[in-house]
Amino acid sequence: EIVLTQSPATLSLSPGERATLSCRASQSVSSYLAWYQQKPGQAPRLLMYDASNRAAGIPARFSGSGSGTDFTLTISSLESEDFAVYYCQHRSNWPPHSFGQGTKLEIK
Amino acid sequence: EVQLVESGGGLVKPGGSLRLSCAASGFTFTNVWMIWVRQAPGKGLEWVGRIKTRSDGGTTDYAAPVKDRFIISRDDSKNMLYLQMNSLKTEDTAIYYCTTDLHRGYSGSWGQGTLVTVSS
Repeated sequence: EIVLTQSPATLSLSPGERATLSCRASQSVSSYLAWYQQKPGQAPRLLMYDASNRAAGIPARFSGSGSGTDFTLTISSLESEDFAVYYCQHRSNWPPHSFGQGTKLEIK
Repeated sequence: EVQLVESGGGLVKPGGSLRLSCAASGFTFTNVWMIWVRQAPGKGLEWVGRIKTRSDGGTTDYAAPVKDRFIISRDDSKNMLYLQMNSLKTEDTAIYYCTTDLHRGYSGSWGQGTLVTVSS
């Protein structure tokens, strides 16, 4: 089973700053990686898929990159609604399509 | 607009059973693989299992912790997805989300979730 490790566990930034979140896979997942955003009391929302493709309705300030084992989600200029927990997930090979443990993006 | 509405959660004793339902609308259910994801209180997301479409064989896959205890099924005539949970353990306590599959692995649309509590 592929293990995804996200870093940092918590990221404290101010609105307007740039956020960089990382996800590392225990073995190559090619470009088969997604990012989700979850706000308190809400279901997660798909942000990015296949590493660099924005899901429908996702603002352009969100971007993703990476392939193989190392991936990055970047938020170019944080807005107040971006403070949430972010998860990565792979869809490589057979299930289970596991998730990372999450990165909490909090207001500094 | 895609809508997924889970129901059937509640309190159950260890060793008990529960069946969750997910009512789907706003898309052609017959053509979409479906996934269950869960989230223990205050914890991260855990992939539970998926079911393919009838045209893709209707087969299921499960995560190791639930394999042989949980069964995913679908009723395309009713646009319904189910999760039959047997031999429940305290560690199965979680919010269970019904999701659509996107690109054979991702969860594109999510329901609001239903809480399952396993406790004596």
